[in-house]
Formats: sequence, C-alpha cells, structure tokens
Amino acid sequence: GNSVTQMEGPVTLSEEAFLTINCTYTATGYPSLFWYVQYPGEGLQLLLKATKADDKGSNKGFEATYRKETTSFHLEKGSVQVSDSAVYFCALGVSFNAGNNRKLIWGLGTSLGVNP
Amino acid sequence: DVKVTQSSRYLVKRTGEKVFLECVQDMDHENMFWYRQDPGLGLRLIYFSYDVKMKEKGDIPEGYSVSREKKERFSLILESASTNQTSMYLCASTNLHRYTEAFFGQGTRLTVV
Repeated sequence: GNSVTQMEGPVTLSEEAFLTINCTYTATGYPSLFWYVQYPGEGLQLLLKATKADDKGSNKGFEATYRKETTSFHLEKGSVQVSDSAVYFCALGVSFNAGNNRKLIWGLGTSLGVNP
Repeated sequence: DVKVTQSSRYLVKRTGEKVFLECVQDMDHENMFWYRQDPGLGLRLIYFSYDVKMKEKGDIPEGYSVSREKKERFSLILESASTNQTSMYLCASTNLHRYTEAFFGQGTRLTVV
C-alpha cells in the first residue's frame, strides 16, 4: 500500500544550523511528493513539491529532491532561522479511484524548534 | 487570494450534542477533505468528497458523517459528540486537474466536555 515514514521529532537547532528532515515513502505508480508546514495556531500550507523523479522542489531556502531509487524526499535548509519553528509534514499524492482523483497520504509530522 | 474558511476557530460542546463544522472554499475545487489532528498521530482522514453529494470514508469515519450539497461547502457532523472527539479539525480542498496541492482552512479546535 501507500505510506509515508517521516523522521520523528522534536528537532531542536540553533539559528543558522543545517536542517535535514528525512522522509521515505512506499507507493505504486507515479506519486507526487510534497512538504507542508504548519506554523503555531494555523492550518497547513504548501512549502514545496515535486511531481516526478529527480525533480527538486524549493521555496524559502528549503529544498527537497524526489529520489525514486531510494524512495525518499528529504527536506533540507542550509541555515535555519527562529521563524522556521513549525511542524513539517511530508505527503504523498496518490490516485484513489480509476479517474484522476487523488488524495494525500501524510507523514506524522516533525516539530522543529530553532533557538536564537 | 485563494481561501478555505472554517466556520469557527474554537468550539466547546457538551457530550451528546450534535455538532456541525462548516467549511467553504472559493476556488471551485472538486475535492474536499476533513482531517483531525492529534499530538503524535499526525493528520488522520475522516471523510472526503470528490463531487457534490458524493462522499467517501477515510481512515477514521466512526462517529462522524458529512454533507456536500454544494460544491463549495463541505460539512462535518458529529452525531453525538464524545470527549474522545476533542481535537483539532482541519478542512482542505484540492483541484482535480493539478498535482493534488491541498489548501487548508485555519482549523477548528473542538473541545467536548
């Protein structure tokens, strides 16, 4: 079946440290991959995405590369800021019927805290 | 600016009450979803809908029902609220023809006492 395994948190870093949050997936077909972010007290918002193998998604200094050979989509940022403190979710977009309809399969989320 | 709006940010209800959570999107999206979010459990799908009057059970539908009478509106109903339904509820919508990018509402924090 389809599933997402995401690095457990919480993760605590100092400002300007390097961030990696691991995400691996199991899927049939050709899924899309996403990272969403949830800031305190808010709903989720899309951070970046990749729709095919070897695509790199990037936004706000964050990057993730769709690696089909290792079934991974690890999130990285070279220098984190206090404002990056949030919960990060990895997600897989898969078809759920014979048509084009898709739904998202979610990782459990990784809480990131950045100290000044 | 695209928007998914949930009717309440915070709600307190009594055990046994019938509770309605409303969600409206202004993007003409076909698909709409209801999730609950609990610490350590991530997002769990309750119900989703891919068309007006259509609904599909998600992973944890027990104790819930949904209604989608119009394309822009998707309601979650707790038939008889219980304390174990205290949670954060998130509504989302997606476009059929894009790569499943989901837009979320701000969430409803429901407390059942």
